[in-house]
Amino acid sequence: AQTVTQSQPEMSVQEAETVTLSCTYDTSESDYYLFWYKQPPSRQMILVIRQEAYKQQNATENRFSVNFQKAAKSFSLKISDSQLGDAAMYFCAYEPSGTYKYIFGTGTRLKVLA
Amino acid sequence: DSGVTQTPKHLITATGQRVTLRCSPRSGDLSVYWYQQSLDQGLQFLIQYYNGEERAKGNILERFSAQQFPDLHSELNLSSLELGDSALYFCASSVVGTEGDTQYFGPGTRLTVL
Repeated sequence: AQTVTQSQPEMSVQEAETVTLSCTYDTSESDYYLFWYKQPPSRQMILVIRQEAYKQQNATENRFSVNFQKAAKSFSLKISDSQLGDAAMYFCAYEPSGTYKYIFGTGTRLKVLA
Repeated sequence: DSGVTQTPKHLITATGQRVTLRCSPRSGDLSVYWYQQSLDQGLQFLIQYYNGEERAKGNILERFSAQQFPDLHSELNLSSLELGDSALYFCASSVVGTEGDTQYFGPGTRLTVL
């Protein structure tokens, strides 16, 4: 079964520091898509970053970047210069090729300390 | 604001009852997805519609049904409600609903079954 694992239920980071959230997934596919979503206390799901498996270059969006290791089936999210507004649940999601649905991990709660 | 709207925001009902959740996709999006998020869990995919037709199905209970109307809004019907159906129900939309198509999530409907 295709699964997504986020092994860190909770992480803390000091404001302005850098933090990395881990995500691994299980698949036998070669083409797929990966996403990180942020869920703040408002519960709204907000897209943070998106990665196509066929692209070797790691995606970046401002202070957010990923470390995509295809062979290791790892997709970690790095948040640089952490801000108080980054405090949220972060979900990793995997979209198997041809399925049109996302498989979500259980999430990592990020706390940002002032 | 993702452009996806969901009504109502909150719904409180009793076991055995039936409710309807409504979703309006972003302007121009043809595909709608429904997800269920139980307390402190990841999102579980329920069902996807594309331009009025069912395209993909996840772990959706037989007591649940959905449809997408000609104006592209969608409704999720939940019947014979049980306590375990209490959850946050998200609707997402995407342009064409193909793999890799980014899904934009609505704010969710919180359902409480007493």
